[in-house]
Amino acid sequence: QSALTQPASMSGSPGQSITISCTGTSSDVGSYNFVSWYQQHPGKVPKLLIYDVSNRPSGVSTRFSGSKSGNTASLTISGLQAEDEADYYCTSYTSTNTEVVFGGGTKLTVL
Amino acid sequence: QVQLVQSGAEVKKPGSSVKVSCQASGGTFTSYAISWVRQAPGQGLDWMGGIIPIFGTTNYAQNLQGRVTITADKSTNTAYMELSSLSSEDTAMYYCARRSCTGGVCRYHFDYWGHGTLVTVSS
Repeated sequence: QSALTQPASMSGSPGQSITISCTGTSSDVGSYNFVSWYQQHPGKVPKLLIYDVSNRPSGVSTRFSGSKSGNTASLTISGLQAEDEADYYCTSYTSTNTEVVFGGGTKLTVL
Repeated sequence: QVQLVQSGAEVKKPGSSVKVSCQASGGTFTSYAISWVRQAPGQGLDWMGGIIPIFGTTNYAQNLQGRVTITADKSTNTAYMELSSLSSEDTAMYYCARRSCTGGVCRYHFDYWGHGTLVTVSS
């Protein structure tokens, strides 16, 4: 059982915006701004999309944005494209083991 | 450009151990932390543990305590993950991933990943 809760699946049409949630506790998401998001296409290595809640690494599309409110972090993908179909994972620092914890992942389907 | 190159696929018998390596090139090995993340077939990502080579400090996932050992050889810029008492539930892709560190303070995101090492446990 993952420590961070994500919806198992979501779907959207091309051009739409979609928001994936990541719910934790006051031991992780709620108390630290160390939330990151990763995209993983089938058979591929995870790719960093967002770090420290809302920062994008160089080269990541501006269509990806992150935010946080209370114990829930969110990844928003605007202008959905077919290539966005992938699995998305959130992580957070956790004071439980002073390391990181993953969410269970969200499978995004672009209709 | 940072690269993390992992050792090749392994097939192991139940009850045995496996040791996977992750050699870093580019950057300064002692300026980052290496974590190990595994992914069972069709499942999500699971943090296993990590090491900060400059300090030699390690941290392990509670559910793997006693079975996993992570080490680092600064002379070869290589990190290792050894998992013992293997069972079929340990069949997974194993990734090493880097967290950057500055002045001994490490970030909590993984900016570079190895290509993965498939470990299959089967009798």
